[in-house]
Amino acid sequence: GESVGLHLPTLSVQEGDNSIINCAYSNSASDYFIWYKQESGKGPQFIIDIRSNMDKRQGQRVTVLLNKTVKHLSLQIAATQPGDSAVYFCAETEYNFNKFYFGSGTKLNVKP
Amino acid sequence: GAGVSQSPRYKVTKRGQDVALRCDPISGHVSLYWYRQALGQGPEFLTYFNYEAQQDKSGLPNDRFSAERPEGSISTLTIQRTEQRDSAMYRCASSLNRRNTGELFFGEGSRLTVL
Repeated sequence: GESVGLHLPTLSVQEGDNSIINCAYSNSASDYFIWYKQESGKGPQFIIDIRSNMDKRQGQRVTVLLNKTVKHLSLQIAATQPGDSAVYFCAETEYNFNKFYFGSGTKLNVKP
Repeated sequence: GAGVSQSPRYKVTKRGQDVALRCDPISGHVSLYWYRQALGQGPEFLTYFNYEAQQDKSGLPNDRFSAERPEGSISTLTIQRTEQRDSAMYRCASSLNRRNTGELFFGEGSRLTVL
């Protein structure tokens, strides 16, 4: 199946700093991507999505960047807070929203 | 309900027993997904429904696994003759399946332990 993976399994940042979480995908036919946040003991929670006809999308304190040329996705979190500590997954799908493939996750530790 | 509800939250069973895991999606959500998540890993796709129709079951590991959604709402994932390797967190998700978003709403999961 398709491969979605992350470069850094664990990321530690100081509170207030910006965080960047990276993701590589292998299916060039994927045209929709989502970042999820998963806190301990809970299910994944939607953060932000982006379609393949865009290269950047901003939300509240979060920005997703998509580079289709190198099949790379990143999530930027501004002014990281302790509540941002969680595991972050990227997920990809082709446009029918049928089958989402998830990466293995990056754990974000925010140090106070 | 307010969110996706799964039951039981925890299930411990002996090898060889059958188990049934239930998912109650958000009311009105067309699509329902089953995923399996190993510790420290991302969710792994198992199967997917639109209304009552099972659209894709390519992720089911073998024929001991089956799922149904007979009335297009509640779904049951059944594992027959469980094996220790089936131990995992089983997550259900639902979505509106509209063209403007593919956001999945996940439940809290059912933790299966096969002894």
